Formats: sequence, C-alpha cells, structure tokens
Amino acid sequence: EDQVTQSPEALRLQEGESSSLNCSYTVSGLRGLFWYRQDPGKGPEFLFTLYSAGEEKEKERLKATLTKKESFLHITAPKPEDSATYLCAVQANRGSNYKLTFGKGTLLTVNP
Amino acid sequence: DAGVIQSPRHEVTEMGQEVTLRCKPISGHDYLFWYRQTMMRGLELLIYFNNNVPIDDSGMPEDRFSAKMPNASFSTLKIQPSEPRDSAVYFCASSSAGGQPQHFGDGTRLSIL
Repeated sequence: EDQVTQSPEALRLQEGESSSLNCSYTVSGLRGLFWYRQDPGKGPEFLFTLYSAGEEKEKERLKATLTKKESFLHITAPKPEDSATYLCAVQANRGSNYKLTFGKGTLLTVNP
Repeated sequence: DAGVIQSPRHEVTEMGQEVTLRCKPISGHDYLFWYRQTMMRGLELLIYFNNNVPIDDSGMPEDRFSAKMPNASFSTLKIQPSEPRDSAVYFCASSSAGGQPQHFGDGTRLSIL
C-alpha cells in the first residue's frame, strides 16, 4: 500500500526565515510526486511534479527536490502570503491506474 | 479559462436524506476524480473516470455512495441514505491525461445532521 508522511504537521516562521517541509513516501515504483498548496476553503492548487530522483523544480520562493525516499519543499525568504497547507501526493507506476495518494499536509504560517 | 466547477458549495441536510454533488471538469480533460477530505483521514480518492468510464472505485466507502459521468462535461456523486459520518469536504478534480497534474475545484462542504 502506498504511504505518504509529511512533517512537520505545522510550522510557524517569521517573514524572511527560510525552512523546508518534508514528504516521505513508500510506493512500489514512482510515476510522479506532486506538490499542492491549499488555502482555507479552497481546493488544492497544483505547484510541481517531480518524476525522478535528483530532479528539482522552482517557482518564485519555492523549490522542490526529490530523492528515492523523500521530497523536500524549500521555502526561501517566505512572505505572509505563503501561509497555507502544503500537500504532497504520490502516483505509483501501475499500468493505467492514476490514483494519487496524499499526505495529511503541513500547515505553514508566516508571520509578518 | 474556467477551472473545475462544483456545486453546491455548501450542503446541510438531515440524516437519511439523499445528497447529490455535482462537478463540471475542465473542458478537454479526459480524467475526472472524486476525493473526500476530513481532518482525521486527509484527502482520499473515492473514484475516478476516464472518458466517462469508471476505472477505480475501490475508495467508495459503501453501497450508499454512487457516482456517474453521463457525458464529458458533467459528473455526480450521490449519497443515499446519508449519515452523519459522511460529513466532509468533497472535491472533484480533472486532468488532461492520467499522469498529468490534477486540477481541483473548490469543493462541497457537506454536513449531515
């Protein structure tokens, strides 16, 4: 069974204080690892897809990296508008099955 | 471009009533997914469709839940009869291909009294 564990559950940062969120996963063959951002009362918003170990993707203050067992979402000099829940999900390489298995997320709060 | 559209945004009903949630995927997307989100269990896949055909319904909790996709631009998730433990936020998502990112609607917050 595919499993995704995110840590920490909650993270409080001061504006400008860089940090990283962790996503550990167990899957029998990874097709892709997805990062989403979710604001209160909204649906998850797609950020990145990573496909193979060593891959990195960047968007503004966010950078996602991938190893064979985990992914990190690095946040550089965060701003209050980066406050949200960040979700990680894996998709296993099983033929035509495209199910996503999500972690429970990290609630990030950035204080001004 | 219009994103995934879900209705209603909020639904409050009494136990035993039938509940129907609706979803319009992004035009041209061949895959449609239904998820449920709770504090305890997080975001869980219920069922997904490819070209209007159900592919994996292993996440549907029990026979009280059913989903249909009569055409490429509309899907429903029905709960009959509803129970208080069905209270959750239900999301619909669509993607252009199986391995492509799934794009989510803003969900239906369902409360069963």
